[in-house]
Amino acid sequence: KAGVTQTPRYLIKTRGQQVTLSCSPISGHRSVSWYQQTPGQGLQFLFEYFSETQRNKGNFPGRFSGRQFSNSRSEMNVSTLELGDSALYLCASSLGQELTGYEQYFGPGTRLTVT
Amino acid sequence: LAKTTQPISMDSYEGQEVNITCSHNNIATNDYITWYQQFPSQGPRFIIQGYKTKVTNEVASLFIPADRKSSTLSLPRVSLSDTAVYYCLVGDTDKLIFGTGTRLQVFP
Repeated sequence: KAGVTQTPRYLIKTRGQQVTLSCSPISGHRSVSWYQQTPGQGLQFLFEYFSETQRNKGNFPGRFSGRQFSNSRSEMNVSTLELGDSALYLCASSLGQELTGYEQYFGPGTRLTVT
Repeated sequence: LAKTTQPISMDSYEGQEVNITCSHNNIATNDYITWYQQFPSQGPRFIIQGYKTKVTNEVASLFIPADRKSSTLSLPRVSLSDTAVYYCLVGDTDKLIFGTGTRLQVFP
């Protein structure tokens, strides 16, 4: 079974631009979560989608948004990029009908650098 | 908001048992506690999950006291390949909260 894939793997953007990251979950998984990882803040939960609906959301500004398609693939968008948005963005998928209680399978991440 | 804290780092030698504790003072009542392992340049990988008391699988054990305000990941007989960062993950109503991470270094 193929794992979670994320594209692109690396991205360099300029402050003020916007970016879209993509995540393809494991086949059959309907839940997709997004996380931001930085050396200073660690792993932080962005949001979670289940069957095309955002079920849960972390404490990030509205510049961070996402969506999920009918095939469970998900995209995350960050608008008006700031230097502090430089991070590793991780996507994870699970069978989960609940927020916890299901194993999450993580992708390799997208390394975003904002200059 | 749940706050989860872990020791920043731990050192061990091959063959020893390692116990890593996570304090989560405000975990949601119905949510599970999960532990993940992360190697450099990779996404976290699931180790074990539990709700209360003790859970054991082929690689680790997880101990959760009755008040659920902490949990302890136990790695029996660690090897060099267990050198990684370990995170606990708990739910807080509508969010997931990762612990601060514990960097485990295993020496020969």
